[in-house]
Amino acid sequence: EPEVTQTPSHQVTQMGQEVILRCVPISNHLYFYWYRQILGQKVEFLVSFYNNEISEKSEIFDDQFSVERPDGSNFTLKIRSTKLEDSAMYFCASNVGQETQYFGPGTRLLVL
Amino acid sequence: RKEVEQDPGPFNVPEGATVAFNCTYSNSASQSFFWYRQDCRKEPKLLMSVYSSGNEDGRFTAQLNRASQYISLLIRDSKLSDSATYLCVVTNDYKLSFGAGTTVTVRA
Repeated sequence: EPEVTQTPSHQVTQMGQEVILRCVPISNHLYFYWYRQILGQKVEFLVSFYNNEISEKSEIFDDQFSVERPDGSNFTLKIRSTKLEDSAMYFCASNVGQETQYFGPGTRLLVL
Repeated sequence: RKEVEQDPGPFNVPEGATVAFNCTYSNSASQSFFWYRQDCRKEPKLLMSVYSSGNEDGRFTAQLNRASQYISLLIRDSKLSDSATYLCVVTNDYKLSFGAGTTVTVRA
């Protein structure tokens, strides 16, 4: 069964450093998403991406964040200058349209 | 008011019991409704979609009341493997809004 994959599974970084989280969505999917979940809190929407552009973003997704689909398969989330409060699990998801979103296993980011 | 509110539980039930819980959502324009399941430190996984007519998937029954903006999930004949956090999820356009989850623990 096709699945969303994410790398790395864990990332530890120093405050102020840039990180890039990578996702490979399911191959025939057209819509891509990033969500985050701070430990002990709910899953929060960050951004949706369709047709090579952002279709919606939340208040969390400020200028420190960017997304890109650099080739036909990868979908990346970049955090330019990480803060302590960026420590969270980051989930990538994809779907065909207004259908079920399928989530990757997540990247656990720890900012020290 | 939170977009999606859930009873956090925890619900501790013996194997074989029935457990039910619900959630409410604030945006009357929400289009689609789901229950996802999340195991500790794992990704959310779709349990079932929720339709206005109510729907069943094996031991799981979901109900949607659009007038009251209320969604429910009932689990019959609970198994140990049902222990998880159940996330109530609604969509607004293409964005998923999650509740904080209801924790269910099934004991032997």
